[in-house]
Amino acid sequence: EAQVTQNPRYLITVTGKKLTVTCSQNMNHEYMSWYRQDPGLGLRQIYYSMNVEVTDKGDVPEGYKVSRKEKRNFPLILESPSPNQTSLYFCASRTNRQGNYGYTFGSGTRLTVV
Amino acid sequence: KNEVEQSPQNLTAQEGEFITINCSYSVGISALHWLQQHPGGGIVSLFMLSSGKKKHGRLIATINIQEKHSSLHITASHPRDSAVYICAAGYNNDMRFGAGTRLTVKP
Repeated sequence: EAQVTQNPRYLITVTGKKLTVTCSQNMNHEYMSWYRQDPGLGLRQIYYSMNVEVTDKGDVPEGYKVSRKEKRNFPLILESPSPNQTSLYFCASRTNRQGNYGYTFGSGTRLTVV
Repeated sequence: KNEVEQSPQNLTAQEGEFITINCSYSVGISALHWLQQHPGGGIVSLFMLSSGKKKHGRLIATINIQEKHSSLHITASHPRDSAVYICAAGYNNDMRFGAGTRLTVKP
C-alpha cells in the first residue's frame, strides 16, 4: 500500500530534550515536506526537500532541522524543543513529475513539549 | 506572498443538502488542492486541479484561473462528510493553506 509513515503518533517530552520524528514513504517520491498545524493558524510549512540531499526552509523553520540522505526518509529533528513547538506535525510527499499528482500525507504526530 | 482565503469557516447542513465551500488565492499557482481532515486528524488529498473541473463520486471541484477562485461542492451530503475541508494553493516548492472549513452534516 502506498503510504507515508510517521512515527511516533504521539509524543510528550520535556523542554530541551532532543527528539526526532521520522517520516518514510514507499512511493519513490522525490519531494517531501514537513508541516505543523496549530489552532487558528492552520497548516504551515517547516522544511521541504525537492530530492535527496536537497532541503530548504519553509515558512517556520526556526528550531527545526531536517536531513534527506535517502529518498524514502525525511526525519524532522528538534535539537532543543520548547513549549511553543507543541503542535500537530504532518509529513507529506509527492512526485516532482509534471502532471496532476497530488500529495500523500502521513497520519500526523501530536507533540507536546512541557 | 500568497494569501488563501476560505469561506465559510463553519458550515452546518442537513443530510442531503448541496454544499459549497469557496477558496480564493491572491497570486498565480501551479495547482489548487482540496484536502479533507477528519476528526482523528489525518489528512487526505481530495483533488488537485489546475483548470476546469474534477469529479469524484459526490464531490466536485472547480477552478477559475482568471478569477483566482475555486469551489468544492458536495452533492447529497451525508453525516460521514463531516470533516474540515482545506484549500491549498500549490507552487513548485510548497503549498499555502487556507484556514479550513469545518463542515457538520446532521442526520
